[in-house]
Amino acid sequence: KAGVTQTPRYLIKTRGQQVTLSCSPISGHRSVSWYQQTPGQGLQFLFEYFSETQRNKGNFPGRFSGRQFSNSRSEMNVSTLELGDSALYLCASSLGLAGASDTQYFGPGTRLTVL
Amino acid sequence: TQLLEQSPQFLSIQEGENLTVYCNSSSVFSSLQWYRQEPGEGPVLLVTVVTGGEVKKLKRLTFQFGDARKDSSLHITAAQPGDTGLYLCAGEGHRGYKLSFGAGTTVTVRA
Repeated sequence: KAGVTQTPRYLIKTRGQQVTLSCSPISGHRSVSWYQQTPGQGLQFLFEYFSETQRNKGNFPGRFSGRQFSNSRSEMNVSTLELGDSALYLCASSLGLAGASDTQYFGPGTRLTVL
Repeated sequence: TQLLEQSPQFLSIQEGENLTVYCNSSSVFSSLQWYRQEPGEGPVLLVTVVTGGEVKKLKRLTFQFGDARKDSSLHITAAQPGDTGLYLCAGEGHRGYKLSFGAGTTVTVRA
């Protein structure tokens, strides 16, 4: 079974630009979660999508948005990029079950650098 | 301030030694998970603990969940260079977040 794939793997943008990152979950998984990883803050939850609906949202500004398509693939968008948005963006997919049995499988991440 | 505090932040030991990583919080979690992340890759789930006081063993790794479900520890016996990586604990069920992560412990095992 193929794992979670994220594209692109590396991205360089300048301040003020916007960026779209893509995540393809494991086949059969209906939940996709996004996380931001930085050396200072660690891994922080951005949002979770399940069946094309945002189910949970972390404490990030409205510049961060996402969506999920009918095939469970997900995209996240960051508008008006700031230097502090430089990070590894990780996507994780799961079946979408409630509780501890819903194991998340992470992709390799997209490394975003904002200049 | 991290919801989950991990200690130590860095750990460097010789092959064959034992190590323990701690994960503490003032909040109660419905479950707690441990991940290992290697450079250039996403975190990989090692174990999920659900019941207070639960102990799980995975070969040379022993995981413990505190009785009050607020803290956990990871103990590695006879560490090997392949155990090198960033160890992350994550709690489920806080503020509706899918997972809340600790800052991680970077473990280096020298051959």
